[in-house]
Amino acid sequence: AQSVTQLDSQVPVFEEAPVELRCNYSSSVSVYLFWYVQYPNQGLQLLLKYLSGSTLVKGINGFEAEFNKSQTSFHLRKPSVHISDTAEYFCAVANAGGTSYGKLTFGQGTILTVHP
Amino acid sequence: KAGVTQTPRYLIKTRGQQVTLSCSPISGHRSVSWYQQTPGQGLQFLFEYFSETQRNKGNFPGRFSGRQFSNSRSEMNVSTLELGDSALYLCASSPGQGTDTQYFGPGTRLTVL
Repeated sequence: AQSVTQLDSQVPVFEEAPVELRCNYSSSVSVYLFWYVQYPNQGLQLLLKYLSGSTLVKGINGFEAEFNKSQTSFHLRKPSVHISDTAEYFCAVANAGGTSYGKLTFGQGTILTVHP
Repeated sequence: KAGVTQTPRYLIKTRGQQVTLSCSPISGHRSVSWYQQTPGQGLQFLFEYFSETQRNKGNFPGRFSGRQFSNSRSEMNVSTLELGDSALYLCASSPGQGTDTQYFGPGTRLTVL
């Protein structure tokens, strides 16, 4: 079984400040890792994903994340946030090796609120 | 390319009724996954269909069922609705391989009264 823990349910931050959203996972098999963003009344949009290779992954809108296998973490970072980054962010895992068959296991989400 | 579409966007039903939700994937995508999103339980995987076959399922009761048609469109059915079934139901499509990104639709908001 897999699980994902997002360590902060809410993160308030001022505009242009850096932000880090934390994600830890637990799995007995190799995993793929994802960060999705959800704006109010919308579906989820992929920010970035880690499949293999370089542990530093760059995504859309200036976000990046670092995979740390020893700490089983995949924290999301942005050096300077904007008001428009206000949304809920979800970390997710899937079984590597092609057996996940469409199943993502999500964390509980982190609400990022950017204040002017 | 058009994105994933879901219909209807909003539904209100009463306990005991049944409901069918529809999902049209991105053109060329053969995999459709369904998720339930609630404030208490978060995002939970329901099932996944690929080429009209269910390949994976989550831990939901048999009242939740689905199917996929030859054009990859998928439907999800919930019978004997309960108050706890009130949720946002999201579908996601992908080409179907494990490394493929899932693209999500806007969801169907189901309210059970």
